[in-house]
Amino acid sequence: GNSVTQMEGPVTLSEEAFLTINCTYTATGYPSLFWYVQYPGEGLQLLLKATKADDKGSNKGFEATYRKETTSFHLEKGSVQVSDSAVYFCALRGGSQGNLIFGKGTKLSVKP
Amino acid sequence: GAVVSQHPSWVICKSGTSVKIECRSLDFQATTMFWYRQFPKQSLMLMATSNEGSKATYEQGVEKDKFLINHASLTLSTLTVTSAHPEDSSFYICSAIPRGSRGNTIYFGEGSWLTVV
Repeated sequence: GNSVTQMEGPVTLSEEAFLTINCTYTATGYPSLFWYVQYPGEGLQLLLKATKADDKGSNKGFEATYRKETTSFHLEKGSVQVSDSAVYFCALRGGSQGNLIFGKGTKLSVKP
Repeated sequence: GAVVSQHPSWVICKSGTSVKIECRSLDFQATTMFWYRQFPKQSLMLMATSNEGSKATYEQGVEKDKFLINHASLTLSTLTVTSAHPEDSSFYICSAIPRGSRGNTIYFGEGSWLTVV
């Protein structure tokens, strides 16, 4: 079945450091891929998405490229800020009903 | 932008009682809504898919008689946790797909924290 595996956290970085959060997936067909962010005490928010191979999703300085050959969708940001501290979830959607399958989430803490 | 609202955000209930959580799409109609739960330091797990006007489809291992889902209108789905127990304490979150969309846009509610004491 479909599944998502993302790197274990927590990840602690200093402000302006480079961020990579790895995400790989297993799916039949051609799923859409998503990154969601959950700030403390808040609900999930869509950060970015990609719907086909080689698409690059980007938002708020974050980027992720849909790599079908490596079944990956790694999240990157060149210079993180304290306000980026949150839990990040990688997800895929491949089912006809539209439900998302999530990774376990990676907690990011950015120190000033 | 499109908004999905959940209510209540926080609820504490006594063991054995029932509690209802509402999920509303505020500015769009949603034929399909999803209910997830999230345990601490765990991922979101799909509980059920709620379709307006029909019975919900539950994921394997989710007790349909315990987690009652009603999708009575195109803007409201409710999750009722019946005879709640402490192990039901969790973060419950809903999402909705706008009617007529291609389905790649999914909006999430803010989530509801349930604590059963």
